[in-house]
Amino acid sequence: EAGVTQFPSHSVIEKGQTVTLRCDPISGHDNLYWYRRVMGKEIKFLLHFVKESKQDESGMPNNRFLAERTGGTYSTLKVQPAELEDSGVYFCASSQWAGNYEQYFGPGTRLTVT
Amino acid sequence: GNSVTQMEGPVTLSEEAFLTINCTYTATGYPSLFWYVQYPGEGLQLLLKATKADDKGSNKGFEATYRKETTSFHLEKGSVQVSDSAVYFCALGIQGAQKLVFGQGTRLTINP
Repeated sequence: EAGVTQFPSHSVIEKGQTVTLRCDPISGHDNLYWYRRVMGKEIKFLLHFVKESKQDESGMPNNRFLAERTGGTYSTLKVQPAELEDSGVYFCASSQWAGNYEQYFGPGTRLTVT
Repeated sequence: GNSVTQMEGPVTLSEEAFLTINCTYTATGYPSLFWYVQYPGEGLQLLLKATKADDKGSNKGFEATYRKETTSFHLEKGSVQVSDSAVYFCALGIQGAQKLVFGQGTRLTINP
């Protein structure tokens, strides 16, 4: 069974540009989560999808971030326009059941904004 | 609020040494507690978990006990190996909220 995959593995963009990160969850997992780790600090929750619906987006830092999950399969996270403080590692996770917290993580996308 | 505080790293040990990585938490309600591990170039993997007070989670020689009285979930291993070199994250999950709250991570390096 394939794990959670993320693309790209690393992205370097200039301040003001747009970047789109993609996450493919484990097949059959209805729950999809985005997290990020900035500057080696704690990993912080961004949002949670159940199928194509946003269940909790309380961690989204501002309206420059837009997450979508059309069709309830893969998800994208767009940052537009990117700022220096957006640099970090963006993790995606998926789970079959939300209640037991057994989330399966992808390898992350390292975003560098210069 | 809900938060997790981990032992500051990095931690460097010799092979076969005893490992402790401290983790304490603050939470509303009754959290479940987790240790995740990230090996170089890979995603986070669930290492072990405990869902209620006094539970002990264990896996791959690692153990952690859910201590409600001290709000702690320290990770221990009796004899570490070079292959244990990784970043370790302590996390909690709050009942009714599906997100995980993580600590800042502890980088562990084991020298042969």
